[in-house]
Amino acid sequence: KAGVTQTPRYLIKTRGQQVTLSCSPISGHRSVSWYQQTPGQGLQFLFEYFSETQRNKGNFPGRFSGRQFSNSRSEMNVSTLELGDSALYLCASSLGGISGANVLTFGAGSRLTVL
Amino acid sequence: AQSVTQLDSQVPVFEEAPVELRCNYSSSVSVYLFWYVQYPNQGLQLLLKYLSGSTLVKGINGFEAEFNKSQTSFHLRKPSVHISDTAEYFCAVSNNDYKLSFGAGTTVTVRA
Repeated sequence: KAGVTQTPRYLIKTRGQQVTLSCSPISGHRSVSWYQQTPGQGLQFLFEYFSETQRNKGNFPGRFSGRQFSNSRSEMNVSTLELGDSALYLCASSLGGISGANVLTFGAGSRLTVL
Repeated sequence: AQSVTQLDSQVPVFEEAPVELRCNYSSSVSVYLFWYVQYPNQGLQLLLKYLSGSTLVKGINGFEAEFNKSQTSFHLRKPSVHISDTAEYFCAVSNNDYKLSFGAGTTVTVRA
């Protein structure tokens, strides 16, 4: 079956712009999580959604936001881009049951470069 | 809150030699433990997981890990590596807060 699909795979933006990244989870998965990966900070948790509800959020400024639709697809938005937002943004999906035992399946990521 | 420490940032190893990647975690509650691998320009792929039961966990591609609760460790091992095992490896921990906390990663470079 199809894996986690993230679009776009690569994008370049300039400071001050905004960006929207999309994630389509594996069919039947109701939980979608987002992570930011940078060389300096490593993998950091952004937020997690289940059935259109945000259940947890990481320590990121309010410029980072997300949402989940009724078909479980998710988007994340970053407004007023800064150079430090350059990163690989990874989406992961899971069935979304007992959280700790959930196994996340990751997409290939969206690589954002901010100039 | 939980945290993960991967004790080695870089591990060079010769082909067909064994490798061990060390991971320690801290948490005040019961945790679930994972190892993921990331190949260049790709996302993360699950190698193995410890959720409960036997402390020796076997994963894909010949990898295994042992959960040691008293030492709060979850070290990853492979008895004989291949060139294709060159990648970055991440240890991660989760409890019931809907997120994974990752270690900083260990880059494994396999040389012929």
